[in-house]
Amino acid sequence: AQKITQTQPGMFVQEKEAVTLDCTYDTSDPSYGLFWYKQPSSGEMIFLIYQGSYDQQNATEGRYSLNFQKARKSANLVISASQLGDSAMYFCAMREGRGSARQLTFGSGTQLTVLP
Amino acid sequence: GAVVSQHPSWVICKSGTSVKIECRSLDFQATTMFWYRQFPKQSLMLMATSNEGSKATYEQGVEKDKFLINHASLTLSTLTVTSAHPEDSSFYICSAAGTSGSYNEQFFGPGTRLTVL
Repeated sequence: AQKITQTQPGMFVQEKEAVTLDCTYDTSDPSYGLFWYKQPSSGEMIFLIYQGSYDQQNATEGRYSLNFQKARKSANLVISASQLGDSAMYFCAMREGRGSARQLTFGSGTQLTVLP
Repeated sequence: GAVVSQHPSWVICKSGTSVKIECRSLDFQATTMFWYRQFPKQSLMLMATSNEGSKATYEQGVEKDKFLINHASLTLSTLTVTSAHPEDSSFYICSAAGTSGSYNEQFFGPGTRLTVL
């Protein structure tokens, strides 16, 4: 079974509007972390936001927020006020267990295009 | 955040030659480094996990004799693609987890684009 599922291969959004990128996950480990990364065409992986499984509140970082629904095992990324520079590939990832020295498992990604 | 560098950023080589890619943590000690491979329009796939001073742990399906990983110091891990073939052409990315920086975060290098002719 896929551990991380991103069902939207591509998404379009109008500039200045909000967009939600979907991510569902599967794990039996009670301790895990969920990450979102942005990958522009240059290839670098840019860390956006992190949500720990025990975090009570949804994570927010500037225009990025993570809609964490633990019972549904979803961790959707919300980008508010989209900008042209947000056009990129977005990956959801999960790390099972505690500590940063554990591997990340990535979803298949969503290609976001922001339209002027 | 912490900085991880990779060298070279791109390389073109002939089939049958070996290529070494370096991954360095510039401002922290990386006890664990990860090597990923990414084919065009696909996700990152973990190849191996390397811990300083010990042998790397390879993912299923990754040939350890072909992809040699050395993590000789707390700031440097190397990936050597031996006897490279065109199907090894890919984007190789390392990440580092260490003793400083965010407890929750791994730090990614900028990647190395390998083209084997």
